[in-house]
Amino acid sequence: KAGVTQTPRYLIKTRGQQVTLSCSPISGHRSVSWYQQTPGQGLQFLFEYFSETQRNKGNFPGRFSGRQFSNSRSEMNVSTLELGDSALYLCASSLAVGTYEQYFGPGTRLTVT
Amino acid sequence: AQTVTQSQPEMSVQEAETVTLSCTYDTSESDYYLFWYKQPPSRQMILVIRQEAYKQQNATENRFSVNFQKAAKSFSLKISDSQLGDAAMYFCAYWANTNAGKSTFGDGTTLTVKP
Repeated sequence: KAGVTQTPRYLIKTRGQQVTLSCSPISGHRSVSWYQQTPGQGLQFLFEYFSETQRNKGNFPGRFSGRQFSNSRSEMNVSTLELGDSALYLCASSLAVGTYEQYFGPGTRLTVT
Repeated sequence: AQTVTQSQPEMSVQEAETVTLSCTYDTSESDYYLFWYKQPPSRQMILVIRQEAYKQQNATENRFSVNFQKAAKSFSLKISDSQLGDAAMYFCAYWANTNAGKSTFGDGTTLTVKP
C-alpha cells in the first residue's frame, strides 16, 4: 500500500497570501488529521476529518481551515499568512474504526516571508 | 486537558547498548492509547510502538519495548541493542477515544547513537 502523500513538499509564500496544502491518506483510511510542527511549539493538533466531517478542532485561529472530499483526500487552507505560520505541516491518516494508529505523511514545509 | 511530558530533551547511547526514554502524561480519561513515534532527520514520522491503556501487558516490538505504569501515568520506551539508525527525535503521544483523531504529543527527545 502506498503511504500518506502530501503536496507540495515545500512552499514559500509572502505575508498576507493564502495557501492550500493537500493530503492523500492511505487507501481505505477514512480519518485525516493535520498537525503543525514548529521548533517553539512542537507538534500541535489542527483538526481532524472523518467522512467529510470535521470531528475535532485544535486551538488555532479561523484563518486555518480544512475540508475532506468523498475519496478521503483532505486539504487545509491558511488565509492571510503570517510569519508565525512558517512550519512543517503534517498530515496523518487512520482507519478510525477499530484501530487508533496514525500514519504520517512526509509533511509540507511552509515558509512565510 | 491532557498533557504529555518528556523530561529529557536529549539522550545519547553507545551503539549496542540500551537506553530508556521517559514520558509522563496527565489525563482523566480511562480509555486511551499511548504511542511512541520516531522522527529521523528526513522528517517522516514513524510509529514505533503503541499501548492500549486497558492492557496490563507491556507492548514489545523487536528491540523496542515499553514500561507502562498506568497508576503513575508513566510510559517509557526502552531501546535495546541500539543501532546507528535509531538516531532520531522520539515523541511520546496520547490519544483518547473521546477525542477522535487527535494525538497530543510531548516535546520530544533527541536520541544520539554513538558508534
